[in-house]
Amino acid sequence: SQTIHQWPATLVQPVGSPLSLECTVEGTSNPNLYWYRQAAGRGLQLLFYSVGIGQISSEVPQNLSASRPQDRQFILSSKKLLLSDSGFYLCAWSVGNEQFFGPGTRLTVL
Amino acid sequence: AQKITQTQPGMFVQEKEAVTLDCTYDTSDQSYGLFWYKQPSSGEMIFLIYQGSYDEQNATEGRYSLNFQKARKSANLVISASQLGDSAMYFCAMRGGYNTDKLIFGTGTRLQVFP
Repeated sequence: SQTIHQWPATLVQPVGSPLSLECTVEGTSNPNLYWYRQAAGRGLQLLFYSVGIGQISSEVPQNLSASRPQDRQFILSSKKLLLSDSGFYLCAWSVGNEQFFGPGTRLTVL
Repeated sequence: AQKITQTQPGMFVQEKEAVTLDCTYDTSDQSYGLFWYKQPSSGEMIFLIYQGSYDEQNATEGRYSLNFQKARKSANLVISASQLGDSAMYFCAMRGGYNTDKLIFGTGTRLQVFP
């Protein structure tokens, strides 16, 4: 069966520090991968999606970036975090009609 | 542009009763998909049900059913026989167009089930 992992589960970072969130998928090959952000009390906003290794599409201009170095690995990064980057970050994968989400990383920028 | 609207910020239902969570959508695409997800307090997004725009039958998954009214552009979620564990945020989402898996989410409805 397919499994999606995210780490860390929670993270507290100071403003201006770098960020690296990792997402890996097991049990499937060549999935479409996604990064979403959920601000407190809000719905999900798509940040990036990838249809293959090295292929990244950005949905929202910001100080975040994404990379896909391997088929089942998706990384969300920032060189300098802003206060507005705080939120709940969810990685997702899809094959066919269904889209499945990881457990999420709760990021607090102070 | 595609849009999902959930007009109920919160809903209450008594255990064992049925509840309907509203969702309307806007799209100019002919082919699209509609999803419902449950988000408990732990934060994970749990896939509940999917309805394709060309599906003639309403989707059902156990206690969940999707009341799909294409002409009205609505895709309401019906939960039958509510349980205390159903208390959570519920999000409606849409995938639109050809060759895309990108989802657009509504703002969610918080459902609280009381004994």
